[in-house]
Amino acid sequence: AAGVIQSPRHLIKEKRETATLKCYPIPRHDTVYWYQQGPGQDPQFLISFYEKMQSDKGSIPDRFSAQQFSDYHSELNMSSLELGDSALYFCASSLEQGGYTFGSGTRLTVV
Amino acid sequence: AQKVTQAQTEISVVEKEDVTLDCVYETRDTTYYLFWYKQPPSGELVFLIRRNSFDEQNEISGRYSWNFQKSTSSFNFTITASQVVDSAVYFCALSEAFNYGGSQGNLIFGKGTKLSVKP
Repeated sequence: AAGVIQSPRHLIKEKRETATLKCYPIPRHDTVYWYQQGPGQDPQFLISFYEKMQSDKGSIPDRFSAQQFSDYHSELNMSSLELGDSALYFCASSLEQGGYTFGSGTRLTVV
Repeated sequence: AQKVTQAQTEISVVEKEDVTLDCVYETRDTTYYLFWYKQPPSGELVFLIRRNSFDEQNEISGRYSWNFQKSTSSFNFTITASQVVDSAVYFCALSEAFNYGGSQGNLIFGKGTKLSVKP
C-alpha cells in the first residue's frame, strides 16, 4: 500500500539558509499535517491543509510557510534557518475522520 | 484546551516483565480520538491503535492491550512479556473529531514515555 512520502530524508543547512521539505500524501487523503519534533521532544503541530486550503495553524514560526499544490503534495519552506530549527519534521495525511498516516520524516540539521 | 499527560518519563524493565504506560487526557469535546504511537530509535512514528470516545471496549492485540476509561480520562497501554524490540519512546495522542472546514483535527501528543527493555 502507498504510504506518505517525504523528501529529503536528511538535510544539512547552514544558519540563515533556506530549506524546502516535500510531502506526498496517500492518494485520496484530503488533509495534510506538518509536525516538528525537536530532540527529546514530542511532535508539535505546525500547520495543516484540507483540500489544498490551510485549515489550522499551530506553533509555526513566521519564517516558515507551507502550501498544498493541485496534485495534493505539500511543501514546507523554512527561511533564515536557526540552530534551533534542527529537528525531525513529519508530514502526515488523513482521510476525513480516519486515522493519521505519518511519513518517515525529514531530519534537518542546521549548522 | 486539550492536553495529554504521560507522567512516566522513562521506564526500565527486564525482558518478559509486563509494563503499563499511563496516559491521561483532557478535552472539552464529547467526540474525540485517542492514539498510541511507537517511535523506535530510527525515528519513524509507528501507529499502534486508534480509539474513538464512544468505544470504551478494551482491546488486545497480541502482547499489547489498551484500557480506555472515560470516567478517569485515561487510556493506558500494557505490554505483556516485554521484549528488547519493544524498546522505544511511546506517545499517547488526542485529536478532536472536527475542526474548521470539516477536516480531522490535528494530533496533540503527550511528552512520551521512553521504555527500555533489558535482556
